[in-house]
Amino acid sequence: QTVVTQEPSLTVSPGGTVTLTCASSTGAVTSGYYPNWFQQKPGQAPRALIYSTSNKHSWTPARFSGSLLGGKAALTLSGVQPEDEAEYYCLLYYGGPWVFGGGTKLTVL
Amino acid sequence: EVQLVQSGAEVKKPGESLKISCKGSGYSFTSYWIGWVRQMPGKGLEWMGIIYPGDSDTRYSPSFQGQVTISADKSISTAYLQWSSLKASDTAMYYCARQSGTGTTAPGYWGQGTLVTVSS
Repeated sequence: QTVVTQEPSLTVSPGGTVTLTCASSTGAVTSGYYPNWFQQKPGQAPRALIYSTSNKHSWTPARFSGSLLGGKAALTLSGVQPEDEAEYYCLLYYGGPWVFGGGTKLTVL
Repeated sequence: EVQLVQSGAEVKKPGESLKISCKGSGYSFTSYWIGWVRQMPGKGLEWMGIIYPGDSDTRYSPSFQGQVTISADKSISTAYLQWSSLKASDTAMYYCARQSGTGTTAPGYWGQGTLVTVSS
C-alpha cells in the first residue's frame, strides 16, 4: 500500500514564507510522479494550484510555487495572506492510479 | 467555462444501491478524463478512479476496485459513480473532477460535491 506523507500541520505569520512537503513511501519523489497540489477551505471543493511539479494554473496566485526538495515535492507560499489558511493536499502519480497525501493544515497566525 | 454539476445529497440505508452523477459542460466531454474523489467526514482526499468518456477506458485505485463502478454516458455529457450495496463506511462527500488538460490525468476542475449518507 503506497503512502504519501505530508506534515499534519504548519503555522505561519502573515507575510511570511512556508514550505509544505510531500514524500512517497516508495522512495524519492521525482518529476515522473507529476506532483500536484490542491487547496481546500472548509465547506468547499478542492482547488487545483500546481501541476507537474511546478506549473501554475491560470488562476493560481503568484505567491504559490512548486518544486522538488530533498527527495520530496514541495509547495512554497511566499508573502502568506490570511486567506491562505486552508488544508493543502499533494497528489502523486504511480503509473496508473494517483494517490493523495494526508493533507497539511496551514494556520496563518 | 468548464463546469461540473453534481447530483444532490443522498440518504440511503445499508445494502441499498446508489448512482450519483456529474454533468460536464463548457468543453468537449469525450476528450478529457473525469474521475471521482472521496472525502470521509473530517478526513482527507482519496483518489478513487477515472474514466475517459471517449472510449470508456476506466482506471481504479486498488482501494476502490470492485467496490464501486465508474461509468459515463457521452450522449448526455454525464459521468457516474455507483454502488450495488452501500455500507455505513461509504458515508462521505464525493467529488467529481475533470483532467486539467495539462498533459496528465490529474484533476484540475472540480464539481461541488455530493454528500452520501448511509445509515440504518
